[in-house]
Amino acid sequence: GNSVTQMEGPVTLSEEAFLTINCTYTATGYPSLFWYVQYPGEGLQLLLKATKADDKGSNKGFEATYRKETTSFHLEKGSVQVSDSAVYFCALSLSGGYQKVTFGTGTKLQVIP
Amino acid sequence: DTGVSQDPRHKITKRGQNVTFRCDPISEHNRLYWYRQTLGQGPEFLTYFQNEAQLEKSRLLSDRFSAERPKGSFSTLEIQRTEQGDSAMYLCASSLETSNEKLFFGSGTQLSVL
Repeated sequence: GNSVTQMEGPVTLSEEAFLTINCTYTATGYPSLFWYVQYPGEGLQLLLKATKADDKGSNKGFEATYRKETTSFHLEKGSVQVSDSAVYFCALSLSGGYQKVTFGTGTKLQVIP
Repeated sequence: DTGVSQDPRHKITKRGQNVTFRCDPISEHNRLYWYRQTLGQGPEFLTYFQNEAQLEKSRLLSDRFSAERPKGSFSTLEIQRTEQGDSAMYLCASSLETSNEKLFFGSGTQLSVL
């Protein structure tokens, strides 16, 4: 079946530190890959996505590259801010015309001043 | 664009009771999804509507669960004879069918079954 594995949290970083959250996937077929973010008290939001191998998704200083050879989609940011504190979900969706998304378990990030 | 609205935000019920949740999607969105999220887990797909047609139901959705989207606008999710294992956050999402489809999630309904 399809699944997403991401590093367990919580992850605690100082402001301006470098962030990496690891994500690997298993899928039958060629999925689209996503990172969603959930800020405290808010709904899930799409952060970035990549739809084919070697694509790089980017948004708000976050980046992730679709690596088919390692089945990975690691999230990175060069300099985190306190406002980045949230739960981050790696996810995939197989092309089929609609968004039946398989999510990872989420990684909580806390950035301290 | 007021976003996806879900009502109620919280529901506490006793085991065996029926509950119904409502989702109002973004008005022009023709696709609507229900997901369920338990503590420490990511959301899990429950069901999907294209306009008023329910096109897929997960095996997670037992016979006690029913979802409707009668006029292709708002949707309801009913759980009959609730069980403690039904306690979870129920998330609704909507989207517009395009080549660059993007899900917009509501804030969810937190169900607690006592």
